[in-house]
Amino acid sequence: DQQVKQNSPSLSVQEGRISILNCDYTNSMFDYFLWYKKYPAEGPTFLISISSIKDKNEDGRFTVFLNKSAKHLSLHIVPSQPGDSAVYFCAATLKSGSEKLVFGKGTKLTVNP
Amino acid sequence: EPEVTQTPSHQVTQMGQEVILRCVPISNHLYFYWYRQILGQKVEFLVSFYNNEISEKSEIFDDQFSVERPDGSNFTLKIRSTKLEDSAMYFCASSVESGRITGELFFGEGSRLTVL
Repeated sequence: DQQVKQNSPSLSVQEGRISILNCDYTNSMFDYFLWYKKYPAEGPTFLISISSIKDKNEDGRFTVFLNKSAKHLSLHIVPSQPGDSAVYFCAATLKSGSEKLVFGKGTKLTVNP
Repeated sequence: EPEVTQTPSHQVTQMGQEVILRCVPISNHLYFYWYRQILGQKVEFLVSFYNNEISEKSEIFDDQFSVERPDGSNFTLKIRSTKLEDSAMYFCASSVESGRITGELFFGEGSRLTVL
């Protein structure tokens, strides 16, 4: 049961360049999509979200794009900074009103100085 | 900045023993959650709790699991008789609004449970 998939377990980019993290989903009943960031020995921290009725949401260096026809979303970080190095989880909520977040397995981003 | 705190950070127990994981959610939050992450796997929803009762639980949350809010500040997860497959990082989370609205949860640092 992999309703939310992050097919790249890791990504390495140079400081100052763009980081693009990808996420695919299979359930058309997802309502909200979120990105969480997790540092070692810490819990996930909410980063940015997007409603299923939008196709883009921007917050500073972070932009999330949603392509509903392709059931795909991506997180862009520009410019990438070494402090962005973390595991990034894609997550989604269901229109049915379920409380639960459905997470992907995560992508470990390394930003090299 | 207010944060969700969890204790213990790491617990090692023998199979069949009872374990209680404790959480102090952010004080003005109304919705409480437990998630877990088995090593190398996804973060998985266990249970949500609102107004002193379980509002939703997953298929993982069987009769061996229970949650309680014994006072105004603590939120506990009890595993009655631990199994090897319960070994995981358990995350407590809380939110002001229901997670079904925005999904913006505040997570604690996690409690690592190792069952031998």
